[in-house]
Amino acid sequence: ETGVTQSPTHLIKTRGQQVTLRCSSQSGHNTVSWYQQALGQGPQFIFQYYREEENGRGNFPPRFSGLQFPNYSSELNVNALELDDSALYLCASSLDPGPSYEQYFGPGTRLTVT
Amino acid sequence: AQTVTQSQPEMSVQEAETVTLSCTYDTSESDYYLFWYKQPPSRQMILVIRQEAYKQQNATENRFSVNFQKAAKSFSLKISDSQLGDAAMYFCAYRSGGSGGYQKVTFGIGTKLQVIP
Repeated sequence: ETGVTQSPTHLIKTRGQQVTLRCSSQSGHNTVSWYQQALGQGPQFIFQYYREEENGRGNFPPRFSGLQFPNYSSELNVNALELDDSALYLCASSLDPGPSYEQYFGPGTRLTVT
Repeated sequence: AQTVTQSQPEMSVQEAETVTLSCTYDTSESDYYLFWYKQPPSRQMILVIRQEAYKQQNATENRFSVNFQKAAKSFSLKISDSQLGDAAMYFCAYRSGGSGGYQKVTFGIGTKLQVIP
């Protein structure tokens, strides 16, 4: 069984640019959540996708957007990058969005904005 | 809004000894889940243990156990017989248990655990 994978591992972008991060969920999982983890902080919830629809969002501006595809893989898009967007971005997948279902995390993408 | 507080930025323990990591949380909900996650230098967040708020019995997973005090809103993690591989960042986390919602998990700031050989 393949776990959650994310690409790329690292990337460097310039302020004002746009970036797309990718996540492949664990086999059979229809729910993907994205988190931002700034250096020295705990992860912060960005949003969750369930069966291709956003079904929950944290306190992040609209320039953070996402997609979920029919195979349940997902993308996180960030427009107009700011220096404060530099962070580790984690995705997590689960069998269902219900509260009793465990989330399985990927290894993350380290984004540096200069 | 729910908050999770970890007041110990760093802890250290001798190999084979026992260490306790502290966590407090604030919520007005009665149905929720609490978690301890481990994040090693490889960055992958790994679930260590979870506790359902409606269960009075403290959760245990091998060398890891929790002390869940619901009235005090306290959720500490005890690691027994510490091993070098236990060295990592440990995050306490909260998730609402309400049905129909989404899986927003609120994390604390983390405690860095060092294991001394």
